[in-house]
Amino acid sequence: EAQVTQNPRYLITVTGKKLTVTCSQNMNHEYMSWYRQDPGLGLRQIYYSMNVEVTDKGDVPEGYKVSRKEKRNFPLILESPSPNQTSLYFCASSLIGAEQFFGPGTRLTVL
Amino acid sequence: SQQGEEDPQALSIQEGENATMNCSYKTSINNLQWYRQNSGRGLVHLILIRSNEREKHSGRLRVTLDTSKKSSSLLITASRAADTASYFCATDAWMYSGGGADGLTFGKGTHLIIQP
Repeated sequence: EAQVTQNPRYLITVTGKKLTVTCSQNMNHEYMSWYRQDPGLGLRQIYYSMNVEVTDKGDVPEGYKVSRKEKRNFPLILESPSPNQTSLYFCASSLIGAEQFFGPGTRLTVL
Repeated sequence: SQQGEEDPQALSIQEGENATMNCSYKTSINNLQWYRQNSGRGLVHLILIRSNEREKHSGRLRVTLDTSKKSSSLLITASRAADTASYFCATDAWMYSGGGADGLTFGKGTHLIIQP
């Protein structure tokens, strides 16, 4: 089944404790992206990647890192999480210029 | 970066009625996409309309695109309770983003409630 998977689905952590949210797709898509969704603000892009080893900043990249060592995986790294990074995070993938397929979301709470 | 803006922010109608949502954006695009999100869940793609298309249908959905006005509309006909969700438009301008692929830029969504 074609899908985008994210793990974990829910995470509660404390300020400053490094964490990684994994994202994997099985559709051989070149393009992958991370978004955060906050009430009243809609979805905002954090980082995106056009292909392996090619990543770039989106609208809200501060406090986040990503890597794209393999085509299927695009992990989101929070080196030192802060409470303002409490949010609902979505990973997505697509062929360039086509519809995006979204993962189920990761709800992160930083205390 | 550019952003789609949906209008209205919220819409409540009776089951069986038609629902229309509008989206406006600011600059040239390659395509415009509509997504649906049920509360707290992932987004589901509904329709993609390319910049050289004016209208597209998918089941009970009809999307129009007016590039001269930089606007799009999503019409859901014969609404059902299961259509209750948030609807987002997203613009894709990858050919206009200086070689990079900015990806989709989302609006804040229209929250649609279908009353039984």
